[in-house]
Amino acid sequence: AQSVAQPEDQVNVAEGNPLTVKCTYSVSGNPYLFWYVQYPNRGLQFLLKYITGDNLVKGSYGFEAEFNKSQTSFHLKKPSALVSDSALYFCAVRDNSNYQLIWGAGTKLIIKP
Amino acid sequence: KAGVTQTPRYLIKTRGQQVTLSCSPISGHRSVSWYQQTPGQGLQFLFEYFSETQRNKGNFPGRFSGRQFSNSRSEMNVSTLELGDSALYLCASSLSPGNQETQYFGPGTRLLVL
Repeated sequence: AQSVAQPEDQVNVAEGNPLTVKCTYSVSGNPYLFWYVQYPNRGLQFLLKYITGDNLVKGSYGFEAEFNKSQTSFHLKKPSALVSDSALYFCAVRDNSNYQLIWGAGTKLIIKP
Repeated sequence: KAGVTQTPRYLIKTRGQQVTLSCSPISGHRSVSWYQQTPGQGLQFLFEYFSETQRNKGNFPGRFSGRQFSNSRSEMNVSTLELGDSALYLCASSLSPGNQETQYFGPGTRLLVL
């Protein structure tokens, strides 16, 4: 079965430190992977995607994600966290049978000053 | 360009009632998708409409239905509400179906069923 797992409900990071939000996936065929961010009372926003090519994908707001095929992971990273990065982050993988996204449960990222 | 708008933003209903939620996509977008978001469950895909036709449907009971109008605005309806239907309902629009990277989400309608 196709699925996405975000093993951490919450991640706490001090401002200025690097951050990682983890995501692993299971999908038939080539994985199309996405990260979205949800700020309070605002809609989900697309951050970045991996379809093919370079395993390190750069996205909005200084975020990047590393695709690791052998570990079936797509972890979100940022070298230096900002308090404004505090939000809910969702990883998603495309179901190649109907092109719909399968979503992880979300990880709440809290950046402390 | 105005974003995706959803009305109402908040709704309180009681079990057994029905509810209709509305979504106005970004101008020019013809594809509208609906999602249910609950804590710990992430987003669950409800259905997708394009050119007034339902193209995909998620694994939800028949109490959940939707439609799309000729101006691309979409409504979803939930009949015979249950406590478990309490959730944030998100609408997303895109130019065409399956275009996730250019999919824009609305702020959602938060439904509370008592």
